[in-house]
Amino acid sequence: AQSVAQPEDQVNVAEGNPLTVKCTYSVSGNPYLFWYVQYPNRGLQFLLKYITGDNLVKGSYGFEAEFNKSQTSFHLKKPSALVSDSALYFCAVRDWASGTYKYIFGTGTRLKVLA
Amino acid sequence: EPEVTQTPSHQVTQMGQEVILRCVPISNHLYFYWYRQILGQKVEFLVSFYNNEISEKSEIFDDQFSVERPDGSNFTLKIRSTKLEDSAMYFCASSEAGGSNYGYTFGSGTRLTVV
Repeated sequence: AQSVAQPEDQVNVAEGNPLTVKCTYSVSGNPYLFWYVQYPNRGLQFLLKYITGDNLVKGSYGFEAEFNKSQTSFHLKKPSALVSDSALYFCAVRDWASGTYKYIFGTGTRLKVLA
Repeated sequence: EPEVTQTPSHQVTQMGQEVILRCVPISNHLYFYWYRQILGQKVEFLVSFYNNEISEKSEIFDDQFSVERPDGSNFTLKIRSTKLEDSAMYFCASSEAGGSNYGYTFGSGTRLTVV
């Protein structure tokens, strides 16, 4: 069965420090992987995606993510965190091989950047 | 930038009542989706809709739920007889195509509270 795991409910990081939000996945075919961010009382905003090509993907607001096929991971990273990055982050996968158009979301990781 | 618009932003309803959640997808998008997020939990797929019919639905999407595209611009989710456990944030999303690798555009959500 397809699944996405975000092992950390919350990540705390000091402003200016690098941050990593972890995501691992399990799908039967080639994964299409996404990161979304949710600010309080807002919808889900697209950050970045991995479809094919370079394993390091760059996205919005200075975020990037590294696709690692052998570890089935797609961790979200940023070299220098800002207080305004504090939000809820969701990893999602689309299993293209199965022909499904739906996303499977992780449980979300709350990022808290401390001033 | 084009947006997916959802109304209302917050709806309170009595248990057993019918509710209709409304969405205006991006105008040139062809695929439409509903997801929901119970407070503090992950985002769950409900249904996808293409060419005026449901293309996929989850086990959550039982006979109490229905979707409709009543005109060229709106996409609605109806819950026939609401239950307390239907209280959640409901997100509408649209995409250019099912095969698109651009990811969805999500609306800002409707918070449904069933009392």
